[in-house]
Formats: sequence, structure tokens, C-alpha cells
Amino acid sequence: LAKTTQPISMDSYEGQEVNITCSHNNIATNDYITWYQQFPSQGPRFIIQGYKTKVTNEVASLFIPADRKSSTLSLPRVSLSDTAVYYCLVGDLNTGFQKLVFGTGTRLLVSP
Amino acid sequence: DGGITQSPKYLFRKEGQNVTLSCEQNLNHDAMYWYRQDPGQGLRLIYYSQIVNDFQKGDIAEGYSVSREKKESFPLTVTSAQKNPTAFYLCASSTLSDRESYGYTFGSGTRLTVV
Repeated sequence: LAKTTQPISMDSYEGQEVNITCSHNNIATNDYITWYQQFPSQGPRFIIQGYKTKVTNEVASLFIPADRKSSTLSLPRVSLSDTAVYYCLVGDLNTGFQKLVFGTGTRLLVSP
Repeated sequence: DGGITQSPKYLFRKEGQNVTLSCEQNLNHDAMYWYRQDPGQGLRLIYYSQIVNDFQKGDIAEGYSVSREKKESFPLTVTSAQKNPTAFYLCASSTLSDRESYGYTFGSGTRLTVV
């Protein structure tokens, strides 16, 4: 399983764009990149998933360079409610994401 | 609505007692997982199951046991052998056959405290 590295914490202010970068140098050909968000005392929830280039949904964008050794989660115009821990994971979609490895994630604090 | 239900939300246990955490899903997912989370830490895998009547140990299985008698249910028993059971426990599920799957769906967790 590919290991991921992401910053431990980030600070931002309301209305700013936040970019969280994740390194996954050993990503395999079949691996997808998925980001989860976790609020205190809740289970993580899916944010966005991608394989290459750029993916955008109503919540975030995911940028993946051609070599796929890193990815960047972009949160446009954050609000206080975006304060949470964000996890970057890689896994083989074809095997149903067995044994996903969650690191310590990035703790994002959004201030007024 | 489909989802995963964990119960209870809060659980208190005396030292030396076994306790069972419930996890039920109605998503028709094949695989189910149990994770443990300690304060300020990531999630660590305890056990996982890909099909009924089969399960495998994760990274921290000692002191825990599971069963998978039904596709919908994957209860976790925290035994008296678990030396530090106070933690937040999360159950998750995923489908093994849908290539458009969004990975894991998590329950809302059970916070276990040993008193």
C-alpha cells in the first residue's frame, strides 16, 4: 500500500482558498487518490476521488500532476465549518479499497 | 436512507469486562471494517471482513474479536485482554464489485470509556 505524507496542520481565514498537498511517491498504477474529511467525534466522510489530472465537485477540486506522485486538495472560499481533519489515501479501486491506511491527516483550522 | 449504524454512541465499561459494539449496514456492501482512533491520531485497522463468515486481523487485533454471520452485521467485542480500550471506534463498509465506488462509508462511531 502506498504511504502518504501530508502537513500536520494548516491555518486559514474565512473566504480564503486552501490547498492541502499530499505526497504519495510509491503510488501504483491501479491506485486512486481519495480525500476524506473528519469532524470531531464523527466518522470520516468522502470528499473527492481522482486518478489523474483534475477532478471537481460541488465541495472541492483535486489536482493530480502527470507523475501522480502527489495530489492537491483545493477548498475554495473556506468557512468556519470547514475546520476539520483531512485525510489523503491511495488505494486500488479494483480491490474495493481493502485495508486503507489512514495517516494522522491535516488538521485545518479556519478562523474568522 | 442507506447507511451504517453504530450503537451505542457512548459506552462505559468496567475493567475486566467484555463489551460488544454493534455495526449494521443496509448498503449491501460486501466488506466491513473496524478502526480505532485515539485522540489526535489517525485511524488504525482492527479487523476487516470481505465476505460472510470470513474475517482477517488488521494492524491492532490483539484484545479484540469479531464475527460476520450476516452480510449486514459486523459486531466488535472488546475483551478484557485489551489493555487500553478507551478510544473512539469506527465501523466502515465498502463494495468490492463497483468500480465507481467512493471507497469507504463510515458510521458515526462509538466512544468507549473504561471506568
